[in-house]
Amino acid sequence: DGGITQSPKYLFRKEGQNVTLSCEQNLNHDAMYWYRQDPGQGLRLIYYSQIVNDFQKGDIAEGYSVSREKKESFPLTVTSAQKNPTAFYLCASSMSGGSNQPQHFGDGTRLSIL
Amino acid sequence: QKEVEQDPGPLSVPEGAIVSLNCTYSNSAFQYFMWYRQYSRKGPELLMYTYSSGNKEDGRFTAQVDKSSKYISLFIRDSQPSDSATYLCAMSPGGSGAGSYQLTFGKGTKLSVIP
Repeated sequence: DGGITQSPKYLFRKEGQNVTLSCEQNLNHDAMYWYRQDPGQGLRLIYYSQIVNDFQKGDIAEGYSVSREKKESFPLTVTSAQKNPTAFYLCASSMSGGSNQPQHFGDGTRLSIL
Repeated sequence: QKEVEQDPGPLSVPEGAIVSLNCTYSNSAFQYFMWYRQYSRKGPELLMYTYSSGNKEDGRFTAQVDKSSKYISLFIRDSQPSDSATYLCAMSPGGSGAGSYQLTFGKGTKLSVIP
């Protein structure tokens, strides 16, 4: 089945630790996105990538980093500089980065602080 | 004023009722409008996707866009307990410039359909 796979479903971070969230898609989509969802808030864009080896900061990129070495993969690293990392992280993809292409989401990773 | 306003609910209706979910927005540049359904501990699932003003129907779901009023709606007919979820509206500007892809989301409305 085609889709977006995020792993792990739950992740715990210790103080001062970097953690990496995985996102893989087999939809052959060019564009991929990372969002953060907090209770009572809308989804906020962290980073996006329209094509391999290229990515751009979203609205809340501070404390996060990404890479896009392969079309199907867009991992997100939550660094120790992100002081409030507890949230639900969602990865999305779309056929291209154009405004007329709907975004489809994975089932998320919930990150908590130990 | 928030860019996209959506009543958070919760909204509770009996099975079989017609449900109306709404969002208002302030940015007249928005051209593409989406509704997502999100079950607890899951990612959002695209329900409806419309361009500009007008209506779109898909089964029990109807999306309406009124750009003159900056108002979008999602109607659910013959609501079922399986429709119980949080519904998110989202929108993006048109064109091909920087940020044209970027979605702006409402905060979501939590719906419960009671058997």
